[in-house]
Amino acid sequence: EPEVTQTPSHQVTQMGQEVILRCVPISNHLYFYWYRQILGQKVEFLVSFYNNEISEKSEIFDDQFSVERPDGSNFTLKIRSTKLEDSAMYFCASSPGPETQYFGPGTRLLVL
Amino acid sequence: AQKVTQAQTEISVVEKEDVTLDCVYETRDTTYYLFWYKQPPSGELVFLIRRNSFDEQNEISGRYSWNFQKSTSSFNFTITASQVVDSAVYFCALSEARNYGQNFVFGPGTRLSVLP
Repeated sequence: EPEVTQTPSHQVTQMGQEVILRCVPISNHLYFYWYRQILGQKVEFLVSFYNNEISEKSEIFDDQFSVERPDGSNFTLKIRSTKLEDSAMYFCASSPGPETQYFGPGTRLLVL
Repeated sequence: AQKVTQAQTEISVVEKEDVTLDCVYETRDTTYYLFWYKQPPSGELVFLIRRNSFDEQNEISGRYSWNFQKSTSSFNFTITASQVVDSAVYFCALSEARNYGQNFVFGPGTRLSVLP
């Protein structure tokens, strides 16, 4: 069964550094999403992406964040200058239509 | 605005007990979807069920069942004869469908511990 994959599974970085989190959505899906989950808290929506552009973003998704679909398979989330409070699990999701989202296993980001 | 409330922060039961996880939602849309996801200790989000707002039929899948009550804006989840492997955080989520996709609003989660 096709799955959403994410790399790396864990990333440790220094405050102020740039990080890129990578996702490979399910191949025939058209909608892509990023969410984050701060440890012990609920999952929060960051951004949705459709037709090669951002379709919706939350107030969390400020100028430090950007997303890209550089080729036909990858979907990336870039954090330009990481802060301590960016430490979280980041989930990518994809869906074939505006319906059920399938989540990847997550990337655990730790900012020191 | 959308909102999902899971009033039970943590529940502990002994194996083989039945347990119900509550979910109450708020939305102004007439078309929306409700979901339950399981997050085991390993951290991934496992899809359990999706319900659309026009389908109020309750559903049973093995030991899992869901009770959707539009009149009370609730979408409760029952595990029958719980097992230790059911221990996880369970999230209820709501989405209002748009043509360009949707964003989920997750509830705060209920941590279920099933003791042997």
